[in-house]
Amino acid sequence: EPEVTQTPSHQVTQMGQEVILRCVPISNHLYFYWYRQILGQKVEFLVSFYNNEISEKSEIFDDQFSVERPDGSNFTLKIRSTKLEDSAMYFCASSRSTGIGVLAFFGQGTRLTVV
Amino acid sequence: RKEVEQDPGPFNVPEGATVAFNCTYSNSASQSFFWYRQDCRKEPKLLMSVYSSGNEDGRFTAQLNRASQYISLLIRDSKLSDSATYLCVVNGQKLVFGTGTRLLVSP
Repeated sequence: EPEVTQTPSHQVTQMGQEVILRCVPISNHLYFYWYRQILGQKVEFLVSFYNNEISEKSEIFDDQFSVERPDGSNFTLKIRSTKLEDSAMYFCASSRSTGIGVLAFFGQGTRLTVV
Repeated sequence: RKEVEQDPGPFNVPEGATVAFNCTYSNSASQSFFWYRQDCRKEPKLLMSVYSSGNEDGRFTAQLNRASQYISLLIRDSKLSDSATYLCVVNGQKLVFGTGTRLLVSP
């Protein structure tokens, strides 16, 4: 069964450093998403991406964040200068389309720890 | 008002019990509705979509009431393996998650 894969599974970084989280969405999917979940809190939307551009972003997704699809398979989330409060589980998701009944599938997540 | 609201629980039930979770959503323009399951420190996994007509998948039954903006999930004959957090998810242009309801099924 096709799945969304994310690397690394766990990343520890020092405050102020840049991190890049990587995702390989399901191959025939066209819509890509990043979500995050701070420990003990709910899953929060960060950004959606379609046709090589951001289609929607939340207020969490400020200038420190960027997304890119550098080739035909990878979808990356970059945090330019990490803060302690960026520590969270980051989930990538993909879907074939958007609209009624469309299913999104999640990767296993990258646990980011900022120290 | 929160976009998607759930009772965080935990719901502690014995094996074999029937348990029901409820969820309300604020955006009347929402188009799709889902229940996801999340195990501790794992990714959300789709449990089932929710339709106005109601839908059933084995021991799980989901129901949507658009007029009241209310979604429910019923689990019959609970198993130990049902212990998890159940996330109510609403889709307009993006998935919006509730905080989740934690279920603990004990022997």
